[in-house]
Amino acid sequence: EADIYQTPRYLVIGTGKKITLECSQTMGHDKMYWYQQDPGMELHLIHYSYGVNSTEKGDLSSESTVSRIRTEHFPLTLESARPSHTSQYLCASSELGQNYGYTFGSGTRLTVV
Amino acid sequence: GQNIDQPTEMTATEGAIVQINCTYQTSGFNGLFWYQQHAGEAPTFLSYNVLDGLEEKGRFSSFLSRSKGYSYLLLKELQMKDSASYLCAVRTDSWGKLQFGAGTQVVVTP
Repeated sequence: EADIYQTPRYLVIGTGKKITLECSQTMGHDKMYWYQQDPGMELHLIHYSYGVNSTEKGDLSSESTVSRIRTEHFPLTLESARPSHTSQYLCASSELGQNYGYTFGSGTRLTVV
Repeated sequence: GQNIDQPTEMTATEGAIVQINCTYQTSGFNGLFWYQQHAGEAPTFLSYNVLDGLEEKGRFSSFLSRSKGYSYLLLKELQMKDSASYLCAVRTDSWGKLQFGAGTQVVVTP
């Protein structure tokens, strides 16, 4: 039973379109993260948030932006999609001190054609 | 820079034991995690170590040596459903960010 939800699960979109990937969690976690993962490659942190109105860029440079207006919601937006944005995007949340790290969403597999 | 290294792939037969090693050099250390990821799915939590030693959980065990920057995940009595990628991740600060390795693809053969 998932407590963190990502939509859509799969998305194919044309170059230049604006898209928003949704991520919501029902656990009341303060911390939320977006990771990008290409097939067979490691997860790269692209954005994170430690609470409402707090967002930071991660280790991997990304052309996407995020917002955190409510605790449970952490959407990621690409203003103009490009084929280089084709990847899997994973959202996760955590609570300080918890010993299982993150709870992950099911991911959004994005293809830009 | 920060490095988390694991072997790319390991193959083992059903019923056998496999040990996946992970070495890390990170700017900070506040715990090491192992996740399992089946193809096309999200990672799921397997184990957590913050102190040196062995943590056992059913068929899975994880070991940590902080002085050596080394951990391993031991999978016993392998089953076909254990075929997956196993990710080593280090929590680098007290706030919770995780740095991931590239994962080790374990292939279990009959």
